[in-house]
Amino acid sequence: RKEVEQDPGPFNVPEGATVAFNCTYSNSASQSFFWYRQDCRKEPKLLMSVYSSGNEDGRFTAQLNRASQYISLLIRDSKLSDSATYLCVVMNNAGNMLTFGGGTRLMVKP
Amino acid sequence: GAGVSQTPSNKVTEKGKYVELRCDPISGHTALYWYRQSLGQGPEFLIYFQGTGAADDSGLPNDRFFAVRPEGSVSTLKIQRTERGDSAVYLCASSPQTGNTQYFGPGTRLTVL
Repeated sequence: RKEVEQDPGPFNVPEGATVAFNCTYSNSASQSFFWYRQDCRKEPKLLMSVYSSGNEDGRFTAQLNRASQYISLLIRDSKLSDSATYLCVVMNNAGNMLTFGGGTRLMVKP
Repeated sequence: GAGVSQTPSNKVTEKGKYVELRCDPISGHTALYWYRQSLGQGPEFLIYFQGTGAADDSGLPNDRFFAVRPEGSVSTLKIQRTERGDSAVYLCASSPQTGNTQYFGPGTRLTVL
Protein backbone atom coordinates (compact mmCIF):
# COMPACT_ATOMS: atom_id res chain seq x y z
CA ARG A 1 0.00 0.00 0.00
CA LYS A 2 1.32 3.46 -0.90
CA GLU A 3 1.93 5.88 1.99
CA VAL A 4 -0.27 8.55 0.41
CA GLU A 5 -3.01 7.58 -2.01
CA GLN A 6 -5.11 9.71 -4.32
CA ASP A 7 -7.55 9.10 -7.14
CA PRO A 8 -5.56 10.09 -10.26
CA GLY A 9 -8.66 11.37 -12.08
CA PRO A 10 -8.97 13.21 -14.36
CA PHE A 11 -11.85 15.16 -12.94
CA ASN A 12 -13.53 17.04 -15.80
CA VAL A 13 -15.83 19.77 -14.49
CA PRO A 14 -17.52 22.84 -15.97
CA GLU A 15 -16.62 26.35 -14.86
CA GLY A 16 -18.42 27.28 -11.68
CA ALA A 17 -18.71 23.73 -10.41
CA THR A 18 -17.70 22.54 -6.96
CA VAL A 19 -15.23 19.66 -6.91
CA ALA A 20 -13.72 17.65 -4.06
CA PHE A 21 -10.56 15.58 -3.92
CA ASN A 22 -9.74 13.01 -1.30
CA CYS A 23 -6.52 11.50 -0.07
CA THR A 24 -5.64 8.81 2.48
CA TYR A 25 -2.35 8.36 4.32
CA SER A 26 -0.98 5.29 6.05
CA ASN A 27 1.16 6.64 8.91
CA SER A 28 -1.17 7.43 11.80
CA ALA A 29 1.62 9.33 13.58
CA SER A 30 1.86 11.95 10.81
CA GLN A 31 1.34 15.51 12.02
CA SER A 32 1.69 17.86 9.04
CA PHE A 33 -0.32 17.82 5.85
CA PHE A 34 -0.46 19.97 2.74
CA TRP A 35 -2.00 20.36 -0.68
CA TYR A 36 0.38 21.36 -3.48
CA ARG A 37 -0.63 22.36 -6.98
CA GLN A 38 1.43 21.37 -10.02
CA ASP A 39 0.88 22.76 -13.50
CA CYS A 40 1.99 20.77 -16.53
CA ARG A 41 5.79 20.63 -16.76
CA LYS A 42 6.16 22.99 -13.78
CA GLU A 43 7.29 22.56 -10.19
CA PRO A 44 4.89 21.84 -7.32
CA LYS A 45 3.72 24.94 -5.46
CA LEU A 46 2.17 25.04 -2.01
CA LEU A 47 -1.57 25.62 -2.22
CA MET A 48 -2.39 25.35 1.46
CA SER A 49 -1.57 23.61 4.70
CA VAL A 50 -4.20 21.35 6.24
CA TYR A 51 -5.10 21.84 9.89
CA SER A 52 -7.06 19.58 12.21
CA SER A 53 -9.81 22.17 12.59
CA GLY A 54 -10.15 22.57 8.84
CA ASN A 55 -9.13 25.70 7.02
CA GLU A 56 -10.33 27.85 4.18
CA ASP A 57 -8.52 30.11 1.73
CA GLY A 58 -10.92 31.85 -0.61
CA ARG A 59 -12.57 29.21 -2.78
CA PHE A 60 -10.44 26.42 -1.31
CA THR A 61 -11.26 24.43 1.83
CA ALA A 62 -9.08 21.72 3.31
CA GLN A 63 -10.19 19.18 5.91
CA LEU A 64 -8.32 16.59 7.94
CA ASN A 65 -9.88 13.52 9.57
CA ARG A 66 -7.22 11.95 11.77
CA ALA A 67 -9.37 9.02 12.85
CA SER A 68 -9.87 7.93 9.24
CA GLN A 69 -6.43 9.18 8.08
CA TYR A 70 -8.15 11.13 5.37
CA ILE A 71 -7.53 14.57 3.87
CA SER A 72 -9.81 16.46 1.51
CA LEU A 73 -9.71 19.54 -0.69
CA LEU A 74 -12.84 21.31 -1.83
CA ILE A 75 -12.77 23.85 -4.65
CA ARG A 76 -15.85 26.04 -5.07
CA ASP A 77 -16.77 28.06 -8.16
CA SER A 78 -14.09 26.38 -10.31
CA LYS A 79 -12.13 28.59 -12.72
CA LEU A 80 -10.39 27.59 -15.93
CA SER A 81 -7.14 28.53 -14.20
CA ASP A 82 -7.74 25.86 -11.54
CA SER A 83 -6.89 23.20 -14.13
CA ALA A 84 -3.81 21.45 -12.74
CA THR A 85 -2.69 18.40 -10.78
CA TYR A 86 -3.34 18.57 -7.05
CA LEU A 87 -0.84 16.73 -4.87
CA CYS A 88 -1.68 15.52 -1.37
CA VAL A 89 1.43 15.73 0.80
CA VAL A 90 2.39 14.44 4.23
CA MET A 91 5.47 15.67 6.11
CA ASN A 92 7.34 13.26 8.37
CA ASN A 93 7.62 14.15 12.04
CA ALA A 94 11.28 15.10 11.69
CA GLY A 95 10.16 17.78 9.24
CA ASN A 96 12.73 16.82 6.64
CA MET A 97 10.78 14.75 4.15
CA LEU A 98 7.61 15.24 2.15
CA THR A 99 5.73 12.18 0.91
CA PHE A 100 3.55 12.94 -2.08
CA GLY A 101 0.50 11.19 -3.41
CA GLY A 102 0.40 10.50 -7.12
CA GLY A 103 -1.74 13.57 -7.73
CA THR A 104 -5.29 14.18 -8.91
CA ARG A 105 -5.71 15.87 -12.27
CA LEU A 106 -8.40 18.51 -12.59
CA MET A 107 -9.61 19.91 -15.90
CA VAL A 108 -12.07 22.80 -15.77
CA LYS A 109 -13.91 23.30 -19.06
CA PRO A 110 -15.72 26.43 -20.33
CA GLY B 1 12.99 37.67 -4.40
CA ALA B 2 14.78 34.99 -6.35
CA GLY B 3 13.43 31.48 -6.00
CA VAL B 4 15.19 28.14 -6.18
CA SER B 5 17.05 27.76 -9.45
CA GLN B 6 18.25 24.57 -11.11
CA THR B 7 20.59 23.97 -14.01
CA PRO B 8 20.48 22.64 -16.59
CA SER B 9 16.75 22.71 -17.28
CA ASN B 10 17.13 19.75 -19.60
CA LYS B 11 19.85 17.14 -19.87
CA VAL B 12 20.06 14.37 -22.44
CA THR B 13 22.76 11.79 -21.93
CA GLU B 14 23.67 8.30 -23.01
CA LYS B 15 23.43 5.20 -20.87
CA GLY B 16 26.56 4.75 -18.80
CA LYS B 17 27.53 8.42 -18.71
CA TYR B 18 28.04 10.61 -15.63
CA VAL B 19 25.83 13.65 -14.98
CA GLU B 20 25.76 16.51 -12.49
CA LEU B 21 22.64 18.48 -11.65
CA ARG B 22 22.92 21.79 -9.82
CA CYS B 23 20.61 23.51 -7.36
CA ASP B 24 20.82 27.08 -6.05
CA PRO B 25 18.51 27.42 -3.05
CA ILE B 26 16.80 30.57 -1.87
CA SER B 27 19.35 32.76 -0.14
CA GLY B 28 19.49 32.11 3.58
CA HIS B 29 17.67 28.79 3.45
CA THR B 30 19.59 26.26 5.52
CA ALA B 31 17.62 23.16 4.52
CA LEU B 32 17.86 21.73 1.02
CA TYR B 33 16.07 18.71 -0.45
CA TRP B 34 16.26 16.66 -3.64
CA TYR B 35 13.27 14.80 -5.06
CA ARG B 36 12.73 12.79 -8.24
CA GLN B 37 9.49 12.79 -10.21
CA SER B 38 8.72 10.16 -12.82
CA LEU B 39 6.00 10.68 -15.41
CA GLY B 40 2.52 10.46 -13.94
CA GLN B 41 3.74 10.15 -10.35
CA GLY B 42 4.28 12.44 -7.42
CA PRO B 43 7.80 13.52 -6.42
CA GLU B 44 9.80 11.02 -4.34
CA PHE B 45 12.31 12.05 -1.68
CA LEU B 46 15.99 11.43 -2.38
CA ILE B 47 18.14 13.32 0.13
CA TYR B 48 18.06 16.20 2.63
CA PHE B 49 20.80 18.58 3.73
CA GLN B 50 20.87 20.70 6.85
CA GLY B 51 23.74 23.07 6.24
CA THR B 52 26.64 21.23 4.63
CA GLY B 53 25.84 17.73 5.83
CA ALA B 54 23.55 15.14 4.30
CA ALA B 55 21.26 14.57 7.25
CA ASP B 56 19.07 11.98 5.54
CA ASP B 57 20.00 10.16 2.32
CA SER B 58 17.56 7.30 2.78
CA GLY B 59 15.81 8.03 -0.52
CA LEU B 60 18.83 7.61 -2.77
CA PRO B 61 18.02 4.53 -4.88
CA ASN B 62 21.56 3.08 -4.98
CA ASP B 63 25.22 3.99 -4.72
CA ARG B 64 25.31 5.47 -8.22
CA PHE B 65 23.60 8.52 -6.73
CA PHE B 66 25.49 11.01 -4.60
CA ALA B 67 24.91 14.62 -3.58
CA VAL B 68 27.04 17.32 -2.00
CA ARG B 69 26.56 20.77 -0.54
CA PRO B 70 30.12 21.81 0.39
CA GLU B 71 29.47 25.39 1.49
CA GLY B 72 25.95 25.03 2.78
CA SER B 73 24.36 26.76 -0.20
CA VAL B 74 24.59 25.32 -3.74
CA SER B 75 24.07 21.57 -4.03
CA THR B 76 25.05 19.14 -6.77
CA LEU B 77 23.35 15.80 -7.39
CA LYS B 78 25.70 13.39 -9.12
CA ILE B 79 24.65 10.27 -10.98
CA GLN B 80 27.24 7.76 -12.15
CA ARG B 81 26.78 5.16 -14.89
CA THR B 82 23.35 6.47 -15.79
CA GLU B 83 20.62 4.00 -16.71
CA ARG B 84 17.45 4.51 -18.76
CA GLY B 85 15.43 4.11 -15.56
CA ASP B 86 17.08 7.25 -14.17
CA SER B 87 15.10 9.35 -16.67
CA ALA B 88 12.88 11.68 -14.63
CA VAL B 89 12.53 15.27 -13.47
CA TYR B 90 14.90 15.99 -10.60
CA LEU B 91 13.45 18.63 -8.28
CA CYS B 92 15.31 20.61 -5.68
CA ALA B 93 13.58 22.41 -2.80
CA SER B 94 14.75 24.61 0.04
CA SER B 95 13.28 25.88 3.28
CA PRO B 96 14.43 28.43 5.87
CA GLN B 97 14.86 25.63 8.39
CA THR B 98 13.81 22.01 8.71
CA GLY B 99 10.07 21.71 9.06
CA ASN B 100 9.24 24.95 7.26
CA THR B 101 7.46 25.19 3.92
CA GLN B 102 9.54 23.73 1.10
CA TYR B 103 9.88 25.85 -2.05
CA PHE B 104 10.62 23.94 -5.23
CA GLY B 105 12.80 24.84 -8.16
CA PRO B 106 11.71 24.28 -11.78
CA GLY B 107 13.54 20.96 -11.98
CA THR B 108 16.01 19.34 -14.34
CA ARG B 109 14.49 16.99 -16.88
CA LEU B 110 16.99 14.14 -17.33
CA THR B 111 16.68 11.82 -20.30
CA VAL B 112 18.96 8.80 -20.54
CA LEU B 113 19.05 7.31 -24.02
